[in-house]
Amino acid sequence: DVKVTQSSRYLVKRTGEKVFLECVQDMDHENMFWYRQDPGLGLRLIYFSYDVKMKEKGDIPEGYSVSREKKERFSLILESASTNQTSMYLCASMQDRVRGYTFGSGTRLTVV
Amino acid sequence: GENVEQHPSTLSVQEGDSAVIKCTYSDSASNYFPWYKQELGKRPQLIIDIRSNVGEKKDQRIAVTLNKTAKHFSLHITETQPEDSAVYFCAASNAGNMLTFGGGTRLMVKP
Repeated sequence: DVKVTQSSRYLVKRTGEKVFLECVQDMDHENMFWYRQDPGLGLRLIYFSYDVKMKEKGDIPEGYSVSREKKERFSLILESASTNQTSMYLCASMQDRVRGYTFGSGTRLTVV
Repeated sequence: GENVEQHPSTLSVQEGDSAVIKCTYSDSASNYFPWYKQELGKRPQLIIDIRSNVGEKKDQRIAVTLNKTAKHFSLHITETQPEDSAVYFCAASNAGNMLTFGGGTRLMVKP
């Protein structure tokens, strides 16, 4: 079974702090994604990566950046956290469409 | 970019009844349409998908239909059970692997 591990389940940060959300997958998948999940809005894509050191903006990249220095790790960075970034953040990885996305268990971030 | 709309946002059915969730998409180049189920407190999981060269696909009590001309696709669950209660997400993708998700449907199956 593919494992996608997100380092924190719950996180509380202050406005203006720099926040790192870590995601690690153990199946050598090339594709990794960061989504945020908000009620009624579904899952919205923030950034994705098809390979090491490669990154592409998704639908809502503003206020976020990412890093993929190693194939197994995809980090989401909030440069200066704001209250409107309070959300559930889901990381996913995928090798191909047949198996679909494997999601991490999510990080619920609260910015106060 | 792609835009996926999903209806209804909540759906309540009696155990044993059928449930239908509908999605529309905007990008005619989209060719892959998966459905994910997210149980309370858990991560979304792929339950079924359909590709643009197929009009319908079934897997036991669940089925998906696709109408490419109208750009909509649907999830059908028959003989619903309490364990079907969850949030369901439709999604669409073109040639790449990036998925655009709908807003989700909270399905409640009353025993």
